[in-house]
Amino acid sequence: AQSVSQHNHHVILSEAASLELGCNYSYGGTVNLFWYVQYPGQHLQLLLKYFSGDPLVKGIKGFEAEFIKSKFSFNLRKPSVQWSDTAEYFCAVNSYNTDKLIFGTGTRLQVFP
Amino acid sequence: GAVVSQHPSRVICKSGTSVKIECRSLDFQATTMFWYRQFPKQSLMLMATSNEGSKATYEQGVEKDKFLINHASLTLSTLTVTSAHPEDSSFYICSARDILNEKLFFGSGTQLSVL
Repeated sequence: AQSVSQHNHHVILSEAASLELGCNYSYGGTVNLFWYVQYPGQHLQLLLKYFSGDPLVKGIKGFEAEFIKSKFSFNLRKPSVQWSDTAEYFCAVNSYNTDKLIFGTGTRLQVFP
Repeated sequence: GAVVSQHPSRVICKSGTSVKIECRSLDFQATTMFWYRQFPKQSLMLMATSNEGSKATYEQGVEKDKFLINHASLTLSTLTVTSAHPEDSSFYICSARDILNEKLFFGSGTQLSVL
């Protein structure tokens, strides 16, 4: 069965620090990969996604993620975080021929000014 | 941007009662909607796929008679938790796929507490 692991459950950073959130998945076939963000009191919204092509994907608000197929990873990065990045971040996977998204447990990011 | 309205945002009910949660796509149409459940510190788990005009597809281990799903129109899907028990207390989230561009949008979730 497919699964997604997010090893960092809670990350605390100061503004301007660099961020990397880990995401590993287990599935041998072709996958689509996603990062979603949920700001306090708001809906889940798509941050970025990878379907094919360049494994380095750039998303909104300065976020990027790199798909490393050999490591089954899709880590999220941002070179310099802001207080407004405080949110819950979810990595998700679906196999290319299904609609079903499998989510990780989420990482809570707190950024202090 | 596209909005999915989920209502209510929070509900507290007595054990044995039924609770209905609505998921509406406000400015787009969705033939497919998804219902997820999230327990504290766990992943969002897909419960079922709701298809407009047809029966929902339930994931393994999800009781279809307990979690009734109705997707009667292209903008509305409802999840009814029948005879709710304390173990059904959870955070329920819906998502809707835009029929035009296939993008997925999420509702804000419903926190169900069964006493």
